[in-house]
Amino acid sequence: NAGVTQTPKFQVLKTGQSMTLQCAQDMNHNSMYWYRQDPGMGLRLIYYSASEGTTDKGEVPNGYNVSRLNKREFSLRLESAAPSQTSVYFCASTLRHVGTDTQYFGPGTRLTVL
Amino acid sequence: LAKTTQPISMDSYEGQEVNITCSHNNIATNDYITWYQQFPSQGPRFIIQGYKTKVTNEVASLFIPADRKSSTLSLPRVSLSDTAVYYCLVSNDMRFGAGTRLTVKP
Repeated sequence: NAGVTQTPKFQVLKTGQSMTLQCAQDMNHNSMYWYRQDPGMGLRLIYYSASEGTTDKGEVPNGYNVSRLNKREFSLRLESAAPSQTSVYFCASTLRHVGTDTQYFGPGTRLTVL
Repeated sequence: LAKTTQPISMDSYEGQEVNITCSHNNIATNDYITWYQQFPSQGPRFIIQGYKTKVTNEVASLFIPADRKSSTLSLPRVSLSDTAVYYCLVSNDMRFGAGTRLTVKP
């Protein structure tokens, strides 16, 4: 099992460009999450999908959109990138959207917006 | 939603026991406490979870007093490789906060 995979690992964008971050899990988990982590800070939840077909906003959803493509895949889109979106983005998944379920994280995507 | 408070940073030396305390004054009756560890350039990974009293696994112990308003992660005999950020979370609260940055010195 690969667990949670993310692509790309690194990306540099210019202000105003768009891109999609991809996340996939092979653990048959129902719930998936997108976080961002700024230097020296903790993780902040952007969006989550408690189950296939549903998505909900987290703490910092502005400037992002998500798509739960199927049970395995959950993508994060930046329509018009801004320097404030420079961050490391982590995708995670859990079997269920309950607090007792362990979150499994991907390796992250390091995004720089110039 | 319950909120947690942890020290921003801690220093220790190899071979010592490290205790990191987390406050969660508004924890709900059905909430669990979960701790994660994050190394630089990696995503967090699960360490331990508990509801009350004491939980121990091969990596750490978790102590939770009867009022459950705080919890203490105990790392026995730390090594340099335990240098990381440690996060305390309460059930259904997806906010990781800044965590506690533990630095283990030789």
